[in-house]
Amino acid sequence: QVQLVESGGGVVQPGRSLRLSCAASGFAFSSHGMHWVRQAPGKGLEWVAVIWSDGKKQKYADPVKGRFTISRDNSKNTLYLQMNSLRAEDTAVYYCARESNYGGKSYFDYWGQGTLVTVSS
Amino acid sequence: EIVLTQSPATLSLSPGERATLSCRASQSVSRYLAWYQQKPGQAPRLLIYDASNRATGIPARFSGSGSGTDFTLTISSLEPEDFAVYYCQQRSNWPDTFGQGTKLEIK
Repeated sequence: QVQLVESGGGVVQPGRSLRLSCAASGFAFSSHGMHWVRQAPGKGLEWVAVIWSDGKKQKYADPVKGRFTISRDNSKNTLYLQMNSLRAEDTAVYYCARESNYGGKSYFDYWGQGTLVTVSS
Repeated sequence: EIVLTQSPATLSLSPGERATLSCRASQSVSRYLAWYQQKPGQAPRLLIYDASNRATGIPARFSGSGSGTDFTLTISSLEPEDFAVYYCQQRSNWPDTFGQGTKLEIK
């Protein structure tokens, strides 16, 4: 069955860096675009970044552009999010999500359980 | 960026009742809208895609409708497990955006 397992979260000081990982199994990882979506405590969902299935193209939300980098290793079935210059407002649960094509647009059909990132001094 | 506004913020109903949740977009998203359900401590789950298509394994009591800027998620007869937060998402324009959520709570 499809599984997405995030890791790498924790408590980090403002201005420092953290790298999240998302280990995928149960499907052809290299055939799917992958996303990071975050959720601040008690708040709604915020899309963060996407990477194309072949890893050649990425897009970012404005609040993280220039600070976060999404990447993937299709040989290891793993998605990454390198987060630099972290701010208090980056505190959130970070989910990885798989997108699948539904005949036109793609939607997020599987999500991991999330990893909590807390930015605090 | 397209803004999605969900209403109401909280909906209090009893099991067996019908629930109607609304999502309004700041500009047309055609039919490229999805609905997700999220329970406490869990990841979101895809319910509806392309405004009206149920995702795999989603019960028939969930239905979606609408196009352009106005969308509705209807749960025909609430089961105890349906009480959760529901989010709409548009995939028409970059960046992807989500509504702020509607909390469906037991009355």
